[in-house]
Amino acid sequence: AQSVTQPDIHITVSEGASLELRCNYSYGATPYLFWYVQSPGQGLQLLLKYFSGDTLVQGIKGFEAEFKRSQSSFNLRKPSVHWSDAAEYFCAVEARGSQGNLIFGKGTKLSVKP
Amino acid sequence: EAEVAQSPRYKITEKSQAVAFWCDPISGHATLYWYRQILGQGPELLVQFQDESVVDDSQLPKDRFSAERLKGVDSTLKIQPAELGDSAMYLCASSPRVEQFFGPGTRLTVL
Repeated sequence: AQSVTQPDIHITVSEGASLELRCNYSYGATPYLFWYVQSPGQGLQLLLKYFSGDTLVQGIKGFEAEFKRSQSSFNLRKPSVHWSDAAEYFCAVEARGSQGNLIFGKGTKLSVKP
Repeated sequence: EAEVAQSPRYKITEKSQAVAFWCDPISGHATLYWYRQILGQGPELLVQFQDESVVDDSQLPKDRFSAERLKGVDSTLKIQPAELGDSAMYLCASSPRVEQFFGPGTRLTVL
């Protein structure tokens, strides 16, 4: 069965520091890959997605992610974190041709120190 | 910018009562999803509609949950009777093809 692993439950970084959130997936073929962000009590906002092509994808709010097929990973990065980036981040995968069956990881909560 | 609308945003109910949540997807999006998100977890799919037809409801607890999308536009998710374990965020999403757009959610508390 497909699964998504986000190994870090909670990460704290200082404002202005770089950030990397890890995501590994388990699936036979390359799925569609997504990163969502959720502020407290809110819905999910799509940060970026990977369908095919260039393995480094750019998203909103200065985020990027790199797909590495050999490691089954899709890590999210940001070179300089802002206090407003504090939120929960979810990695998600969808099997190609699955008609929208999106599988989410358990999320990583990001705290930002001033 | 078009958004997915959900109401109510918050609902407190007592166990054994009935509750209903409403979702209005982005205009033109044929696919609609209902997810349940327990605190500290990622969302899990409850039901998926393509227009007015159910595509996937394998994770919907059908003894107490029901969902409908009668005219292929807005949708209602109902729980009857509510149980303590139903306390969660209920998220609606819509999609034109692959990418899903989420609403703000309904936070349900069952006392």
